[in-house]
Amino acid sequence: GAGVSQSPSNKVTEKGKDVELRCDPISGHTALYWYRQSLGQGLEFLIYFQGNSAPDKSGLPSDRFSAERTGGSVSTLTIQRTQQEDSAVYLCASSLEYEQYFGPGTRLTVT
Amino acid sequence: ELKVEQNPLFLSMQEGKNYTIYCNYSTTSDRLYWYRQDPGKSLESLFVLLSNGAVKQEGRLMASLDTKARLSTLHITAAVHDLSATYFCAVALRVVLSGGGADGLTFGKGTHLIIQP
Repeated sequence: GAGVSQSPSNKVTEKGKDVELRCDPISGHTALYWYRQSLGQGLEFLIYFQGNSAPDKSGLPSDRFSAERTGGSVSTLTIQRTQQEDSAVYLCASSLEYEQYFGPGTRLTVT
Repeated sequence: ELKVEQNPLFLSMQEGKNYTIYCNYSTTSDRLYWYRQDPGKSLESLFVLLSNGAVKQEGRLMASLDTKARLSTLHITAAVHDLSATYFCAVALRVVLSGGGADGLTFGKGTHLIIQP
């Protein structure tokens, strides 16, 4: 079946601009996660949605980062006023029980 | 704060040899994950270990979990070139007791494994 999909696959933006990254989880998966991967920081958890519960935002690095999940399915990660240190690969994952399945990621480059 | 440490971070080995990657973590958890990542690719799930003493095997890879020692190992038997990749362990910070799923994972820095033909 279809896996987790993310768009765009690559995004280049200028410092100070806002960006939106999209994640389509595996159909029926109740949990959705955002992570980012960078050379300096490795893999970091950002935010977690579980069903209709309030999201766990404990990993968001600043208030410039926000995410929403509409209808319990698609999620959008928004980064406002991007900075160069936001450059990374942003990975989305979804799960039904314990195993988390990752999407291909969005490579964000802030110039 | 949960910390996850892997060692070694870099490993070059010859085909046919055996080796073990170690993953230590700092806070009680009974949910340990191993992932593989090829260059330029996303993460591929290898194993999910859910209890103390859990052992899982897939082909030449075997993973185990000792929750008392807060240690997981990934053992490679008779390595082949195709296993060259970066391997990550990750720990769930909290366990969701109902409704399935798990909280966000804390990852180790990864072990970059090169297997020479």
